[in-house]
Amino acid sequence: DGGITQSPKYLFRKEGQNVTLSCEQNLNHDAMYWYRQDPGQGLRLIYYSQIVNDFQKGDIAEGYSVSREKKESFPLTVTSAQKNPTAFYLCASSRRPTNEKLFFGSGTQLSVL
Amino acid sequence: AQSVTQLGSHVSVSEGALVLLRCNYSSSVPPYLFWYVQYPNQGLQLLLKYTTGATLVKGINGFEAEFKKSETSFHLTKPSAHMSDAAEYFCAVSEPTNAGKSTFGDGTTLTVKP
Repeated sequence: DGGITQSPKYLFRKEGQNVTLSCEQNLNHDAMYWYRQDPGQGLRLIYYSQIVNDFQKGDIAEGYSVSREKKESFPLTVTSAQKNPTAFYLCASSRRPTNEKLFFGSGTQLSVL
Repeated sequence: AQSVTQLGSHVSVSEGALVLLRCNYSSSVPPYLFWYVQYPNQGLQLLLKYTTGATLVKGINGFEAEFKKSETSFHLTKPSAHMSDAAEYFCAVSEPTNAGKSTFGDGTTLTVKP
């Protein structure tokens, strides 16, 4: 079945550590996105990529980095510069950047030790 | 610039009762509007969307929403609540050129009482 796979489901970060969240899609979608979700709040856009080897900052990109070397993969690195990383992270994709439907992965819960 | 306001962070209804979740938006261009549902520890699933055309849109699981430009609203309704409808619901607005850059509301948690 086609879909978006995020791993791991739960992740713990130590002080000063960088961690990478995986997002893989087999939908052949051009565009991919990373959102952060905090309790009681909506989703906020971290980074997005409309095509391979290209990505743009979203509303809250500070302390995060991404790469888009392959169409199916869009990993997110939470760096030590992100001082409040505890959140639920959601990866999404759409067939084209202008396509209105987003498909979401099941998320990664990141917590700080 | 765009924004979304969901009125009521928690809504509780009895099984079989009408579900009404409220969403108001602001947008500087004609908006695309969405409702998503999220079950615990899962991603979001699209319920329905309005892009252009008919202002009453029907979605999955018996939900529908009406785009009212004069009221800048996009309220979500379902005539009869089912226990399986208990979840968190998000309204979102985007510009037509990039739906992935949607702005989401803070969400409404729907509880269904037996």
